[in-house]
Amino acid sequence: EAGVAQSPRYKIIEKRQSVAFWCNPISGHATLYWYQQILGQGPKLLIQFQNNGVVDDSQLPKDRFSAERLKGVDSTLKIQPAKLEDSAVYLCASSLGVAGGQFQFFGPGTRLTVL
Amino acid sequence: AQSVTQPDIHITVSEGASLELRCNYSYGATPYLFWYVQSPGQGLQLLLKYFSGDTLVQGIKGFEAEFKRSQSSFNLRKPSVHWSDAAEYFCAVGPTSGGYNKLIFGAGTRLAVHP
Repeated sequence: EAGVAQSPRYKIIEKRQSVAFWCNPISGHATLYWYQQILGQGPKLLIQFQNNGVVDDSQLPKDRFSAERLKGVDSTLKIQPAKLEDSAVYLCASSLGVAGGQFQFFGPGTRLTVL
Repeated sequence: AQSVTQPDIHITVSEGASLELRCNYSYGATPYLFWYVQSPGQGLQLLLKYFSGDTLVQGIKGFEAEFKRSQSSFNLRKPSVHWSDAAEYFCAVGPTSGGYNKLIFGAGTRLAVHP
């Protein structure tokens, strides 16, 4: 089966610019996650969707980050405006359901560099 | 507070030598436990997981991990390391109940393999 797809793979922008990342989860997976992985750290969950509803966005910096999953399939994560500290790899993952223990399958990530 | 500690930032081993990567966690109850591997430019791949039962779990690529409740540890082992095992390894914990599936990751251990 096809894995989690993400694009672009790399993005370089200047601070205060906007950027958007796209994720297409594994077919049939109802739950979609966005993680931020800063260099030297483990991934940190930003937001979790169940179908097109938000389950957890407690660690999403809502003043500049937004995410949507309008039709319960693809998702977009946006940063506006970007800051230097947003430089990181943004990982998308998906799982069949939202219950604890559901295996999360990860995409290759988008590496963002903010200059 | 929920957390995962991987005490070793970098480990270097010779090819053919044995390997043990340490992981300790702090959680309200016994969580689900995972080990993921991340090769350069790749997403995270699940190596193995512990849900319940036998405390010694087998994973892919010849890896195994042992859950020790008394020590809140879930160390990853491999009897003979191959050069292709060079990567970054992440330990993660997740909830066993509740309507969400938030993984908490450690900071990772980068493994280098000498020929």
